[in-house]
Amino acid sequence: QITLKESGPTLVKPTQTLTLTCTFSGFSLSTSGVGVGWIRQPPGKALDWLALIYWDDDKRYSPSLKSRLTITKDTSKNQVVLTMTNMDPVDTATYYCAHLLTATFWYWGQGTLVTVSS
Amino acid sequence: QSALTQPASVSGSPGQSITISCTGTSSDVGGYDYVSWYQQHPGKAPKLMIYDVSNRPSGVSNRFSGSKSGNTASLTISGLQAEDEADYYCSSYTSTSWVFGGGTKLTVL
Repeated sequence: QITLKESGPTLVKPTQTLTLTCTFSGFSLSTSGVGVGWIRQPPGKALDWLALIYWDDDKRYSPSLKSRLTITKDTSKNQVVLTMTNMDPVDTATYYCAHLLTATFWYWGQGTLVTVSS
Repeated sequence: QSALTQPASVSGSPGQSITISCTGTSSDVGGYDYVSWYQQHPGKAPKLMIYDVSNRPSGVSNRFSGSKSGNTASLTISGLQAEDEADYYCSSYTSTSWVFGGGTKLTVL
């Protein structure tokens, strides 16, 4: 059974850096073809893909947010970490991590709501 | 990359069929057979309903089907049921990234 769970602060101030951790079970991020991605959803709005890391440490980023994002993995801990710098109120959203195989996000975490406010 | 284009809303009566379109470009929907569809109920995480354009994951009702023609993918739900009322999102791989649609709210009348 594959599960993922996001964790991190619920409130960050403008200009601060957000660090989110995705802790997963039921699969290994050292298995060929597997990836873990981050997707966010502002309240009442659409899904927005942010970043992805593959089993071989290949990393992909949203072109519009690339300068602000960093994704890393700790295979031994079954964790993937996303950092986003210079947070702004427009970054207020529910942040999801998801398991990827063959270009499809198969399993999603429950999401964590991050509010950016002073 | 720009978001894929979906109708903001669709509706249908129980038992009817509806189709949701998802229009992209030759760089995403038209260029790869990696289109997926997700169902999202309020306050819940998205759930995969269709992958690789037309394949259903185990456990997803065969009332859900997907197709693609050119730069437009489609999700069809037949025999509408009350539980199908939700938001639906399409997604496509783009060779270096992923892109989602703007979402479609399905109302079962």
